[in-house]
Amino acid sequence: ETGVTQTPRHLVMGMTNKKSLKCEQHLGHNAMYWYKQSAKKPLELMFVYNFKEQTENNSVPSRFSPECPNSSHLFLHLHTLQPEDSALYLCASSHLPEGGTTGNTIYFGEGSWLTVV
Amino acid sequence: DAKTTQPTSMDCAEGRAANLPCNHSTISGNEYVYWYRQIHSQGPQYIIHGLKNNETNEMASLIITEDRKSSTLILPHATLRDTAVYYCIVRTQGGSEKLVFGKGMKLTVNP
Repeated sequence: ETGVTQTPRHLVMGMTNKKSLKCEQHLGHNAMYWYKQSAKKPLELMFVYNFKEQTENNSVPSRFSPECPNSSHLFLHLHTLQPEDSALYLCASSHLPEGGTTGNTIYFGEGSWLTVV
Repeated sequence: DAKTTQPTSMDCAEGRAANLPCNHSTISGNEYVYWYRQIHSQGPQYIIHGLKNNETNEMASLIITEDRKSSTLILPHATLRDTAVYYCIVRTQGGSEKLVFGKGMKLTVNP
């Protein structure tokens, strides 16, 4: 138990569906991240949110839409995905001191396995 | 791009110490060395990190060479549950808190 909870753990969706992945952290952190891990590839950073503001979008296609309503919750809205988007999606969080750009250890959730059919 | 190099894989006998090497010859003076591991189908688990001095916690020890160009993660008494992919990561400082993962090293602990 890392304090970062992701739901659902497994999701199967069609290419025309709209679904969302949810992440909640119980660590009092203020920075949250989405990573993607495709089969046999290293983890790839997708988005970074610091203090609810998106600070990094790593050239992610617009069919992936993140939302960070507060420092504890992070969503990844999925729309019109392709089969190649099937992967493990990982949420993570860390504490970023106010006014600073360096923070502490990043903790990951267990991930959401997404299959697009 | 990942700034570390690790062997692709390593085997270790259960109960023995596992010494996992990592090279980071281009590390900057203010960059930390982080270790994570990922057990199959799970999220990465933080193990330990260090800057210059050796570090120890309940999971492992981290030995960093004096020139900081390499380090070794030591699991003192490996168990079957330590079988995982281990990632050695140099933490980018400033501007972003992102971790850049490489391919890591698969450690297999054998009975």
